[in-house]
Amino acid sequence: DAGVIQSPRHEVTEMGQEVTLRCKPISGHDYLFWYRQTMMRGLELLIYFNNNVPIDDSGMPEDRFSAKMPNASFSTLKIQPSEPRDSAVYFCASSYGYGYTFGSGTRLTVV
Amino acid sequence: KNEVEQSPQNLTAQEGEFITINCSYSVGISALHWLQQHPGGGIVSLFMLSSGKKKHGRLIATINIQEKHSSLHITASHPRDSAVYICAGKDAGKSTFGDGTTLTVKP
Repeated sequence: DAGVIQSPRHEVTEMGQEVTLRCKPISGHDYLFWYRQTMMRGLELLIYFNNNVPIDDSGMPEDRFSAKMPNASFSTLKIQPSEPRDSAVYFCASSYGYGYTFGSGTRLTVV
Repeated sequence: KNEVEQSPQNLTAQEGEFITINCSYSVGISALHWLQQHPGGGIVSLFMLSSGKKKHGRLIATINIQEKHSSLHITASHPRDSAVYICAGKDAGKSTFGDGTTLTVKP
């Protein structure tokens, strides 16, 4: 298994542009999580899905952020419009039971 | 005050030393999650435990539900153990993270 696959690995975009981050979870995992990590705030849970259904999005910072999981093998996190304070590393993770696997992260820089 | 607190914030050890990282939480949780983040940024899930003790190689994690406290121990530490160790209190899918402990093991 290739693990949790995130793309792109790095993204540099201008303020105001739309950004889409992608995640392919491990096959068979029923939970998918999106996290954000910054120096100031550490790791934060943004949203998580169970069987493709969003369960808790209370960590999503603003309406500019949205996440979807159209099927069991794909999820997106979209920021529109992006702002410099959105610069962070965004991690996706999937789990089944107690087993968690993290993706390598997407480093987003908004200039 | 963070709902999940780790100590120490930074830890430097000599190779071979026994290491303990502590995590205290004030929130209700169903499980306690220990993560390891290497300097390259990748995150690895080490343990998820809701009671007792778990062991994997040189790593041992314990949790005391009554005292709301967990510890991560590393025996015979090695420079490759140098990383940030993060604990997170889990309640269903939600996680509350500690600020992390930066461990440096010197040869």
